[in-house]
Amino acid sequence: GDSVTQTEGLVTLTEGLPVMLNCTYQTIYSNPFLFWYVQHLNESPRLLLKSFTDNKRTEHQGFHATLHKSSSSFHLQKSSAQLSDSALYYCALNGNYKPTFGKGTSLVVHP
Amino acid sequence: EAAVTQSPRNKVTVTGGNVTLSCRQTNSHNYMYWYRQDTGHGLRLIHYSYGAGNLQIGDVPDGYKATRTTQEDFFLLLELASPSQTSLYFCASSETGANERLFFGHGTKLSVL
Repeated sequence: GDSVTQTEGLVTLTEGLPVMLNCTYQTIYSNPFLFWYVQHLNESPRLLLKSFTDNKRTEHQGFHATLHKSSSSFHLQKSSAQLSDSALYYCALNGNYKPTFGKGTSLVVHP
Repeated sequence: EAAVTQSPRNKVTVTGGNVTLSCRQTNSHNYMYWYRQDTGHGLRLIHYSYGAGNLQIGDVPDGYKATRTTQEDFFLLLELASPSQTSLYFCASSETGANERLFFGHGTKLSVL
C-alpha cells in the first residue's frame, strides 16, 4: 500500500532561520496528490498546501513545496521561521481516495 | 469553510465497554474518514466511506466498526474497548476524494481504563 515517510520527528529552530521538513512517499499510482497539513496545539489539522504537478512549486502562507516524482519527494520549506510556525506538520498522499499520512514532524521555533 | 462536528469531545470508558463516536458534516461531502492520532504514529486511517451505506476498510481497522447512515453521518463503534484504543480520534470529510483537501472535526479524546 501507500506510505509516507517523514524522517524528522522533531525540528527545533531559532526564529529567522530557514525551515525544511522532509517528506518522501511510495505509491503504485502514477499521479498521486501530495499535501501538507499543519496542526497547532489543541487544534485539528488543516491544509497548508497541496500539489499534483511534477516539478511545479506551490506556495501558501510563506511556505512552499515542489513535488518531484523522480525522487518521490515533497519537502516543505520556508525562508524564515516565525514563532507562530511552531506546530505539528503532516505530509499526506492520496493516490486512490485513501489518504495516507506520515508520522508528522513537530516544529518548534524559539526566539 | 466545511463544517465537521464530532461528539462527544471527551469520553472515558472501561475495558470491555461499548463506545460510539459520532461525526456529522453539513457540506454534502461524499467522502468521510475516521483517523486515530497517536504520538509517534501520526494519523492512521481506521475506516472510510464514499457515501451512505458504503464502508471501506482502512489501515488499522481491528477492533473498530463503522457505519455511514446518511450522507451527513458517520459513526465509529468500539464494541469491546481496550486500553490500546485510548487515543485522539478525528473525523474528516472531503468533497470528491483524491485531489480534495480533508476537513477535520475537532476530535474526540477517548480514554479506556
